Amino acid sequence: DAGITQSPRHKVTETGTPVTLRCHQTENHRYMYWYRQDPGHGLRLIHYSYGVKDTDKGEVSDGYSVSRSKTEDFLLTLESATSSQTSVYFCAISQPSTGELFFGEGSRLTVL
Amino acid sequence: QQQVKQSPQSLIVQKGGISIINCAYENTAFDYFPWYQQFPGKGPALLIAIRPDVSEKKEGRFTISFNKSAKQFSLHIMDSQPGDSATYFCAASGNNNDMRFGAGTRLTVKP
Repeated sequence: DAGITQSPRHKVTETGTPVTLRCHQTENHRYMYWYRQDPGHGLRLIHYSYGVKDTDKGEVSDGYSVSRSKTEDFLLTLESATSSQTSVYFCAISQPSTGELFFGEGSRLTVL
Repeated sequence: QQQVKQSPQSLIVQKGGISIINCAYENTAFDYFPWYQQFPGKGPALLIAIRPDVSEKKEGRFTISFNKSAKQFSLHIMDSQPGDSATYFCAASGNNNDMRFGAGTRLTVKP
């Protein structure tokens, strides 16, 4: 295992409420990513980070924000959750030498 | 628009048969083409990857074939086993840390 822990693993919330998902790594890797996985779309990049306080947008960043105050933690926040954000969210880190992505086990979010 | 197109969406193969999954990409700046395997309830895990300086890469029963001029690459699973039943994703990335994934193929290997 690549030492990636996501929390919570499951969450049900209501439309309009804020949600924060946490990703914790023990590998001390510089790059961390948040993806969402939806049927028919594969995995789509939401945001990524290339260092503490250094983040950038991905393909589907609208409605999401991220923060990285420590190397080991990367937070994904939905300021006001919508039903279209019901998805499985995966955190990943990348191996610097190969670019290989290592994924966490996912966080299933349901927005009612 | 999806930058990496994957087919088929689902595939059923008999044990011992060959599973073939195809992907096509658009961005000629892509220079890294991995395949990920995902079991239910788990995150994707790297299966095999190729860079465009070679046309084929083999690791055990898994082979990637790469056609740079056609912008296509495929995964071949030889002697498919029930334990290979999973969802497979092709992907592509360049030097901008934005890896693009195909939509996935759900493979079922029947005993």
